[in-house]
This record gives sequence, structure tokens and C-alpha cells, in this order.
Amino acid sequence: DVKVTQSSRYLVKRTGEKVFLECVQDMDHENMFWYRQDPGLGLRLIYFSYDVKMKEKGDIPEGYSVSREKKERFSLILESASTNQTSMYLCASSLSDHFSNQPQHFGDGTRLSIL
Amino acid sequence: AQKVTQAQTEISVVEKEDVTLDCVYETRDTTYYLFWYKQPPSGELVFLIRRNSFDEQNEISGRYSWNFQKSTSSFNFTITASQVVDSAVYFCALRLYGGSQGNLIFGKGTKLSVKP
Repeated sequence: DVKVTQSSRYLVKRTGEKVFLECVQDMDHENMFWYRQDPGLGLRLIYFSYDVKMKEKGDIPEGYSVSREKKERFSLILESASTNQTSMYLCASSLSDHFSNQPQHFGDGTRLSIL
Repeated sequence: AQKVTQAQTEISVVEKEDVTLDCVYETRDTTYYLFWYKQPPSGELVFLIRRNSFDEQNEISGRYSWNFQKSTSSFNFTITASQVVDSAVYFCALRLYGGSQGNLIFGKGTKLSVKP
């Protein structure tokens, strides 16, 4: 089974702090994704990566950056945390494919609160 | 533009009832993929099923069944004889053929509560 592990289930940080959310997958997947999930808004894609050191902006990249130095690890960085970044953050991974039919596999999520 | 609509925000049923979760999608592409995910209270999204646009055959897996109708752009999910463990948020999602690797478009989810 695919295992996507997010480093923290719950995290509390302060406004202005630099925050790192870590995600590791153990299935040698090429693609990795970061989403945020908010009530009434569903899942929104922040960034994704289809290879080491490669990244693409999703729908809401502002205020975030990402890092992928190794294939199995994808980090989401809040450069200067703000209260409107309080949310549930979900990491996912999938095989690369040319036919777009590979499912994404998700971690348990990190519930981040910015005070 | 592509879009996935799950009109039912919340559904509440009593155990053993059948329940159908609706999903309507919009795309002009002729080749695409549809997915259903389950998110239990623990938070992890669990992949349930994938359906290709060129395969309209319905699928049954235990108490779960999926009805895909291209004519109405719908991909509905039915749980037969619901159980308390089915309580979760269910997401329908769309992916275009050849689309960007990140282009998985989610509906806003339907929260299903199954009461004993």
C-alpha cells in the first residue's frame, strides 16, 4: 500500500513565523502535491511537483513556497505565516503518467492554526 | 472551463438505508477521468474508484456502486445498506486526459452522516 506521511497532525504557530510542513511518500512516486482544505471551499491545489527540484504553481500559491530536494520528500513552506493560512493541509502523491488516470494518494493531513 | 458539482452539502440517513451521492461534472473534453474519494473523520482521503470517460459500464464493489452517465455528465455513488462506518465526507473529482499533472478538479464534497 502507498504510504504518504505528514510530519504533524496538529501544529500551532504564530503570525510571522516561517512554517515548514513535511511530507514523505514511500512508493517512489514522481508526482507530489500540496492542497489546503477549508469548509465550503473544498480542496484547493497550492503547488505540485512532478520531479525532483521541479515545481508548478497550483490555484492558490500566494504566500507559500515548496521544496523537493529528494524524490520521496515534498515540503510546503509558509514564508511568513498569517491567520488566513489557518487550515487543513493535505499532501498527496501519484505515479507519473501520460494518460492522466493515476489516482492521487493522500496523507492524514496537518491541521495548522496560526495565532 | 472544467467544474465538478456536488449539490448535496450534507446528507443524514439511518443505518441500513440506501443513499446516493450526486456528482455532476462539466468539461468539453471527450477524454477524461472521474474519481471518488472518501474522507473519514481521521482526515485522510481514501481513493475509492476511477472511471474513464470511454467506459460507461457501471461498477459495483460490495455495498458501493457507481453510475456513470455521459449523457447527463453525472457520476453518482450509491451506498447500499449504509453503516455507521460510512460516515465521512465524499469527494468527486475530474482529471482531463493529457492535462497538467496537477489538474485534479475536486467537488466541494458531501458530508454523509449515518446514524445507528
